[in-house]
Amino acid sequence: DGGITQSPKYLFRKEGQNVTLSCEQNLNHDAMYWYRQDPGQGLRLIYYSQIVNDFQKGDIAEGYSVSREKKESFPLTVTSAQKNPTAFYLCASSRSETYNEQFFGPGTRLTVL
Amino acid sequence: GENVEQHPSTLSVQEGDSAVIKCTYSDSASNYFPWYKQELGKRPQLIIDIRSNVGEKKDQRIAVTLNKTAKHFSLHITETQPEDSAVYFCAASWSGGYQKVTFGTGTKLQVIP
Repeated sequence: DGGITQSPKYLFRKEGQNVTLSCEQNLNHDAMYWYRQDPGQGLRLIYYSQIVNDFQKGDIAEGYSVSREKKESFPLTVTSAQKNPTAFYLCASSRSETYNEQFFGPGTRLTVL
Repeated sequence: GENVEQHPSTLSVQEGDSAVIKCTYSDSASNYFPWYKQELGKRPQLIIDIRSNVGEKKDQRIAVTLNKTAKHFSLHITETQPEDSAVYFCAASWSGGYQKVTFGTGTKLQVIP
């Protein structure tokens, strides 16, 4: 089964700990994205990357960091500076051309204990 | 930046009736408007999209209309079925350089058998 994958599905962490969420795609897409989904707030963009070794802050980047060392991978680190990290995190990818559909991963539910 | 407002937040319809979800956007430069459906526990998936050079697009029971002057676009689902029950997200983006997509807050549609 190809496409875009995220791991783990559920993640628990203690306050003050950093945690890294994995996102991998085998669609040969140039662009990758991280969204946070909270009830009643839709999908909010955290970071996005158009090419390897380049990424941009989205609308709610504070307390998060990313890297894009490989085209296939775009891990997200939730740092201890993120004040309210409990949420559902979705990764997506798309071709870099215009008018392109975003393909989403299955998501990771992060709970801070 | 772009701001997308979506209404209503919840919508209940009888099976066979029509459902309409409305969105407005703020950035007149936006020219691509996708709609995503997210079933319970699943990832969002594109169901239909429209570009700014088109006023209406239809795909079987689903149609989307766009009014560029008023900066609003709508999703119409006819002859609703229980499997249409899901959360629907509208979105807007500008294709001129980067596919940063701004999502609405979502509409939870319930189709009552």
